[in-house]
Amino acid sequence: DTGVSQNPRHKITKRGQNVTFRCDPISEHNRLYWYRQTLGQGPEFLTYFQNEAQLEKSRLLSDRFSAERPKGSFSTLEIQRTEQGDSAMYLCASSSRYEQFFGPGTRLTVL
Amino acid sequence: QQPVQSPQAVILREGEDAVINCSSSKALYSVHWYRQKHGEAPVFLMILLKGGEQKGHEKISASFNEKKQQSSLYLTASQLSYSGTYFCGTEDFPSNTGKLIFGQGTTLQVKP
Repeated sequence: DTGVSQNPRHKITKRGQNVTFRCDPISEHNRLYWYRQTLGQGPEFLTYFQNEAQLEKSRLLSDRFSAERPKGSFSTLEIQRTEQGDSAMYLCASSSRYEQFFGPGTRLTVL
Repeated sequence: QQPVQSPQAVILREGEDAVINCSSSKALYSVHWYRQKHGEAPVFLMILLKGGEQKGHEKISASFNEKKQQSSLYLTASQLSYSGTYFCGTEDFPSNTGKLIFGQGTTLQVKP
């Protein structure tokens, strides 16, 4: 399978815990995006990488969120001290130029 | 600012046509269309670029009016598999980062 993969697919955590998600993009894609989607809404942009450089971060993203893309390959998104409002589907997408292809997402539930 | 999609929901019979609209208040570099089924990731359908270039599926067509910052997605001879929620994602001009702002979605239900 050469599509975008994300792990884990589901994560249940208690409020205050830290969580980390991983995204493996399509291998030749140099652009990688993280989005968050809540029920009944469209995906919301979180951050964007071109190769290993994080070029843009949403102003809505609190300091509890951090993302990395070491060596321009896979990416991780970490949420520290999770809150119930962080419960959502976290989507990763990759692109070589125009079309963005989404992974299956990680569904986070914060209890 | 989030683009506005209309209608919010559509119910069709198989074989009928539908048009979904997406409107932005900002100058756009590109408009992207996705379909999402319940519990699944958004699936790329079409991209329309400033200047007229289009890339997407053969059976789906769309238009992009750059002056009005509007795009429309045309679904013809609908099939049951077309059911889902359709999102437009807009990229502001002159950005070329690919950062997309998505609309609230249009739910399409195709009945036999």
